[in-house]
Amino acid sequence: AQSVSQHNHHVILSEAASLELGCNYSYGGTVNLFWYVQYPGQHLQLLLKYFSGDPLVKGIKGFEAEFIKSKFSFNLRKPSVQWSDTAEYFCAVNTGFQKLVFGTGTRLLVSP
Amino acid sequence: DGGITQSPKYLFRKEGQNVTLSCEQNLNHDAMYWYRQDPGQGLRLIYYSQIVNDFQKGDIAEGYSVSREKKESFPLTVTSAQKNPTAFYLCASSRLSSNEQFFGPGTRLTVL
Repeated sequence: AQSVSQHNHHVILSEAASLELGCNYSYGGTVNLFWYVQYPGQHLQLLLKYFSGDPLVKGIKGFEAEFIKSKFSFNLRKPSVQWSDTAEYFCAVNTGFQKLVFGTGTRLLVSP
Repeated sequence: DGGITQSPKYLFRKEGQNVTLSCEQNLNHDAMYWYRQDPGQGLRLIYYSQIVNDFQKGDIAEGYSVSREKKESFPLTVTSAQKNPTAFYLCASSRLSSNEQFFGPGTRLTVL
């Protein structure tokens, strides 16, 4: 069965620090990749997605992610985090029609 | 204002009772989904539906039932057979032509 691993369960950073959240998936075929974010008290919303083309994708609020096929990875990055980035981040993979498989999530706390 | 609504926001039930969670969307999406979110486990797919009057089991369907009588609505019933029903339940929808899912605000169910 396909699986998604997010190795960082909790991350604590100071404002202006750089962020990288790891995401690895187990599937050898064509994948669509997503990062979703859940701010406190808000809906789960799409941060960015990769379907094909340039493996470096840019999303909202200055986030980006790089798809490295040889490493089965889709790590999320942001050069300088803000307090408002405090949230839970989920990586997800689509390997078949309509079905998404989610990672266990990473809780990010940014201290001002 | 298009989106997905879930009601109620908080729900309490006694052990042994069935309870139905509402999910409505006005995005004209064909596909709808129910996920369960537990701390440290990410989102797990319960049921999904790609068309009216048809639905498929997800990874953790036991103890749950759904119906899809209208395109806009996909209610989830948590039955007394569900061993550990206390959780946060998220509804989502998508176009059939896209793997991007849009999420509702969720219902937090607590079994007393």
